[in-house]
Amino acid sequence: ETGVTQSPTHLIKTRGQQVTLRCSSQSGHNTVSWYQQALGQGPQFIFQYYREEENGRGNFPPRFSGLQFPNYSSELNVNALELDDSALYLCASSLESYNEQFFGPGTRLTVL
Amino acid sequence: DAKTTQPTSMDCAEGRAANLPCNHSTISGNEYVYWYRQIHSQGPQYIIHGLKNNETNEMASLIITEDRKSSTLILPHATLRDTAVYYCIVRVAESTSYDKVIFGPGTSLSVIP
Repeated sequence: ETGVTQSPTHLIKTRGQQVTLRCSSQSGHNTVSWYQQALGQGPQFIFQYYREEENGRGNFPPRFSGLQFPNYSSELNVNALELDDSALYLCASSLESYNEQFFGPGTRLTVL
Repeated sequence: DAKTTQPTSMDCAEGRAANLPCNHSTISGNEYVYWYRQIHSQGPQYIIHGLKNNETNEMASLIITEDRKSSTLILPHATLRDTAVYYCIVRVAESTSYDKVIFGPGTSLSVIP
C-alpha cells in the first residue's frame, strides 16, 4: 500500500509568483485535505476535496485554489504569493471525508 | 478556533508511560476525539480516535472520561522516538456530516533518556 506523497519537497519562489503543489493520495482514498503549517504552529485547514469537488474551506483567500483529479490526486495552487505564504504545506487523504486522515511529508515553500 | 486545550509541553522518562491530557469541555454528542502526532519536520501521523469508549491499538490507549469533557492519550512505554508534538482534535465523523479538522498548538512531548 502506497502512502501519501507530495511534490516537490522544497520550493523557493519570489513574491507575486504563482505556485502549484501536488499530492498523491493513499491507494483507495477519495478525499484530500490541504493544510498550511507556519513555523511553530499547528496545521491550518485550507480546503478539502471529495470526489473531485471542494467539500469545505477554511479561512483562506481565493488566491488559494485547488483541484482533485479522477484518480483522486490533487493540486494546491497559490497565486500572487506573499511573504506570509512561506510555510509547510501538508496534504492528507482519507477514505471518505469523515474518516481519519493520513498525511504526506509536506512541501516546504519559501517566499522571498 | 480549536475546541481542545492541552498543556504546552511535557517530559517523560524513557520506558515510562506518557500520559497526555486533553480538555474538550464543549464536545458535542456526535464529535469524536482524535489524536495525531508530528515528529519534527514530518507530516502528522494518525494515532487513535474514539467516541466514548476507551480505545487501544498498537500505538497507544485513549481514555475518555464518562462525561466526555476530557481524555488522556497513553503511550505505555515511551521511547526516544516518541518525542513529538501531540495534537488532540475533536470533530464529527459521520457520513451525513462534514467537519473540518482544526489543530491547536498541541503538546510538545520530550522523552528523556
